[in-house]
Amino acid sequence: DADVTQTPRNRITKTGKRIMLECSQTKGHDRMYWYRQDPGLGLQLIYYSFDVKDINKGEISDGYSVSRQAQAKFSLSLESAIPNQTALYFCATSGQGAGDTQYFGPGTRLTVL
Amino acid sequence: AQRVTQPEKLLSVFKGAPVELKCNYSYSGSPELFWYVQYSRQRLQLLLRHISRESIKGFTADLNKGETSFHLKKPFAQEEDSAMYYCALRNTGFQKLVFGTGTRLLVSP
Repeated sequence: DADVTQTPRNRITKTGKRIMLECSQTKGHDRMYWYRQDPGLGLQLIYYSFDVKDINKGEISDGYSVSRQAQAKFSLSLESAIPNQTALYFCATSGQGAGDTQYFGPGTRLTVL
Repeated sequence: AQRVTQPEKLLSVFKGAPVELKCNYSYSGSPELFWYVQYSRQRLQLLLRHISRESIKGFTADLNKGETSFHLKKPFAQEEDSAMYYCALRNTGFQKLVFGTGTRLLVSP
């Protein structure tokens, strides 16, 4: 089955370290998204990309950067991790159709000590 | 600005009781509304969308433009319905979703 995968699934790191979270999809979708989920805050959009050459900031992009290496791959980087970036991170994909919904990956739980 | 409000953080009911998870939105155009569900240790998945006017797992939701609401309802809750539910809005023709803060539904036996 076509899927959205994320690596790693869990990561513990220290303040100041550089971290990369990876997302791959076999759905053939052009559009990809990164969200973070915090208790009581729901999901907030960090970055999104409508195709390989298109990168856009979301609601909470400060402290994050992304790279769209290919249609199927969209990576999220924390250049210098800080404790308040401890959260659950989700990647999502969607097609280009107006009615297309988003499909989510399993999530990466990141803890910054 | 687009905003989705889910006023209840937790809704606790007994099995067989009716359930209504509230969702209100603010958006000046014609929105698309969705309900996503996240079961324990699973990924977020689409439950239903207003344009489909369908019933999934016994859940329904009607878009009320006058009250700017999209409440999720089920007449008889089941234990397996226990999960986190997110209401989301998307402006027509654009793929970006705005999520509410979520409501945890707990169905007790």
